[in-house]
Amino acid sequence: GDSVTQMEGPVTLSEEAFLTINCTYTATGYPSLFWYVQYPGEGLQLLLKATKADDKGSNKGFEATYRKETTSFHLEKGSVQVSDSAVYFCALSAWAQKLVFGQGTRLTINP
Amino acid sequence: GAGVSQSPRYKVAKRGQDVALRCDPISGHVSLFWYQQALGQGPEFLTYFQNEAQLDKSGLPSDRFFAERPEGSVSTLKIQRTQQEDSAVYLCASSSPHTSGGGTEAFFGQGTRLTVV
Repeated sequence: GDSVTQMEGPVTLSEEAFLTINCTYTATGYPSLFWYVQYPGEGLQLLLKATKADDKGSNKGFEATYRKETTSFHLEKGSVQVSDSAVYFCALSAWAQKLVFGQGTRLTINP
Repeated sequence: GAGVSQSPRYKVAKRGQDVALRCDPISGHVSLFWYQQALGQGPEFLTYFQNEAQLDKSGLPSDRFFAERPEGSVSTLKIQRTQQEDSAVYLCASSSPHTSGGGTEAFFGQGTRLTVV
């Protein structure tokens, strides 16, 4: 079945550091790919998405590129801030918007 | 309301008790999903409604779990004879697809944290 594997956390970085959170997937067909974020005390919210190969999703300085050849959708940000501390979930949707999530990566940014 | 609303936010149930979790989706959203999120894990799909029709219930872990959306808006997830392994956060999400396919954003509620003691 469809699955998503994320880089294990927790990840701790200093402010202004470069961030990469790895995500790979297994799916039949051509899924859409997502990054969701969960800030402390809040619900899951969409960070960015890509719906076809080579698409790049971007939002709030975060980027991820849909790589079909490596079945990957790694999340990157050039300079993280304390406010980026949250749990990040990679997810795919291959049918009827049903989401398959990775296990999540907790990110902590220290000032 | 402005977003997806779930109630209660927290529920403590004694083992064997029945519980009912409510979800108010964003007004006009056709699709509604329930997910179960165990501690330290990603959400896992339980069931999906399009309007009042339950199109996929493949993720419901046992016949103790039942979901309904009788008028195509509010949904209730019911768990009968709760067990300790049912302890988790139950998330509801809604979306309003204008095209087929999987690129539509799902809006999540804050979840109901169920603890079975």
